[in-house]
Amino acid sequence: GAVVSQHPSWVICKSGTSVKIECRSLDFQATTMFWYRQFPKQSLMLMATSNEGSKATYEQGVEKDKFLINHASLTLSTLTVTSAHPEDSSFYICSTGHNEKLFFGSGTQLSVL
Amino acid sequence: GNSVTQMEGPVTLSEEAFLTINCTYTATGYPSLFWYVQYPGEGLQLLLKATKADDKGSNKGFEATYRKETTSFHLEKGSVQVSDSAVYFCALSDGPTGTASKLTFGTGTRLQVTL
Repeated sequence: GAVVSQHPSWVICKSGTSVKIECRSLDFQATTMFWYRQFPKQSLMLMATSNEGSKATYEQGVEKDKFLINHASLTLSTLTVTSAHPEDSSFYICSTGHNEKLFFGSGTQLSVL
Repeated sequence: GNSVTQMEGPVTLSEEAFLTINCTYTATGYPSLFWYVQYPGEGLQLLLKATKADDKGSNKGFEATYRKETTSFHLEKGSVQVSDSAVYFCALSDGPTGTASKLTFGTGTRLQVTL
């Protein structure tokens, strides 16, 4: 079946550094990618929607300058957390649709020290 | 706005026990309802879905019925196995059911099944 590969699975970084998370669609073209995050004991919340070749659409309350999304090709979308701080520590997961189904990456657990 | 509330975990059961994970929702209109499962180290996978009131979704022995009158979509399985240990997410979508669309998720419920 269709697979979305997400890397890294977990990352620990120092406060102030930037972290890039990649999501690749392995055997299909992903025109749209949804990026979610989940804080402990809370729901998965949609952060932004990226579309290949155009600017991402961010949900209310999500800083677009802090969470940079690049969807330069039909098989790769990236989320960069810039100048990360401890409050950005969270579980991030991507999702895209193919053949009327949604497929998810395995998620990235980010811990900012 | 839309919201999904599901029971907090973790839920720990012995093998062959009956499972219920409660899920209720708030939405305008007529959303589609989903249960996703995430096994360790893997992405979320669709477990089952229902697109209209009184529909029953079923897969791998799991069932859930879309109850509009109680705005619920509880997940049940008659006899769980160790291999069912995972995190289960209830979700809804008010977008087109057959296309990539935004989902509103619950918090997820971790199920641990022991021998």
